[in-house]
Amino acid sequence: AQKVTQAQTEISVVEKEDVTLDCVYETRDTTYYLFWYKQPPSGELVFLIRRNSFDEQNEISGRYSWNFQKSTSSFNFTITASQVVDSAVYFCALSEAPYSGGGADGLTFGKGTHLIIQP
Amino acid sequence: KAGVTQTPRYLIKTRGQQVTLSCSPISGHRSVSWYQQTPGQGLQFLFEYFSETQRNKGNFPGRFSGRQFSNSRSEMNVSTLELGDSALYLCASRPYVARANTEAFFGQGTRLTVV
Repeated sequence: AQKVTQAQTEISVVEKEDVTLDCVYETRDTTYYLFWYKQPPSGELVFLIRRNSFDEQNEISGRYSWNFQKSTSSFNFTITASQVVDSAVYFCALSEAPYSGGGADGLTFGKGTHLIIQP
Repeated sequence: KAGVTQTPRYLIKTRGQQVTLSCSPISGHRSVSWYQQTPGQGLQFLFEYFSETQRNKGNFPGRFSGRQFSNSRSEMNVSTLELGDSALYLCASRPYVARANTEAFFGQGTRLTVV
């Protein structure tokens, strides 16, 4: 069965600090997809990034960057020069490819990391 | 382009009652998924509908059911409510169902409180 672990329940940093959110996953499939979502207090989950299992290139989008390492089954998320508006709960999620034995049982989410950016 | 719309936003029900929640996906999206979010269990997949058919189902009792209409709008129903059903119910839409690599777009959720 697939599983996503976000060991950091809550992280608090001062504005402008860099912060890394950890995500470790388990899956029996060779084809799978990893996602990061942000949940602000309003409740909706905001999509941040998708990465497939064949693409281990790191990605940078503005102040956000993602490090995908299949060797350690990790997909970590770094915010550089954090801002108060980055305060939210961040979820890492996994989806296995359909028709590959893993099924398409929706997204499997980690428990989330509550990020607090203090001014 | 309008996002995913869920109604109502907040709901208070009494134990034993039933409840129906509604979700309108993004225009053109044909897949609708439902998730339950609680402090203890986190985000859990309930089910996914595509072309008015349930395609996948999570590990929830039969009290949880859903349906999808021809316009892709979806409803989920919970019968015989229990206190533990209190949660944020999130709906997500995608263009297709058998495309695990497409991101899901979420609504703001319905906050259900069972008293």
